[in-house]
Amino acid sequence: NAGVTQTPKFQVLKTGQSMTLQCAQDMNHNSMYWYRQDPGMGLRLIYYSASEGTTDKGEVPNGYNVSRLNKREFSLRLESAAPSQTSVYFCASSALSGYSNQPQHFGDGTRLSIL
Amino acid sequence: QQQVKQSPQSLIVQKGGISIINCAYENTAFDYFPWYQQFPGKGPALLIAIRPDVSEKKEGRFTISFNKSAKQFSLHIMDSQPGDSATYFCAASIRAAGNKLTFGGGTRVLVKP
Repeated sequence: NAGVTQTPKFQVLKTGQSMTLQCAQDMNHNSMYWYRQDPGMGLRLIYYSASEGTTDKGEVPNGYNVSRLNKREFSLRLESAAPSQTSVYFCASSALSGYSNQPQHFGDGTRLSIL
Repeated sequence: QQQVKQSPQSLIVQKGGISIINCAYENTAFDYFPWYQQFPGKGPALLIAIRPDVSEKKEGRFTISFNKSAKQFSLHIMDSQPGDSATYFCAASIRAAGNKLTFGGGTRVLVKP
């Protein structure tokens, strides 16, 4: 049972390059999320997808785009990478429920450095 | 602004001691307060969670205390073990708003043997 799988695990980019971070989950979850983690700031939500076919901005969406390719996959794209986007990126998924909060399950992250 | 403030940033405790991490929140609409544990090189994993209609929840050596009037909640790790050395994040979410998590800044806990 893989859970949430992120690729790649590490990446180094030059300023201005583009890149897509991939995320896939095998838990049949409806909701998926992208966070970035920076020292002392916890995790901040970039974009989320409540269900297949929908995406919405989170707290820090500038410089990013997302695609909910199908129920399993949710990708994050940096069109023109900037040094300020150096971070660890986490994808998460959760079941969708209107009656109770559902825990989010996280992947192991993509460590991205932009020079 | 940071809606969930967490303290301390780091904590050193002796094996067998008690680790206490505190969080304060601003938004009274939050209705779910989870704690996540993260080991180096791994993603966060849910440890324990509480809803605001409960003042305390215990799971093994981990206890959440919740004070709704003060808008504060805390994690207590009893009988701390070296294997508990990790970074801990408090978080909060609103079910009706898509269960998006707002995280605190994290606390790095080191348990010395």
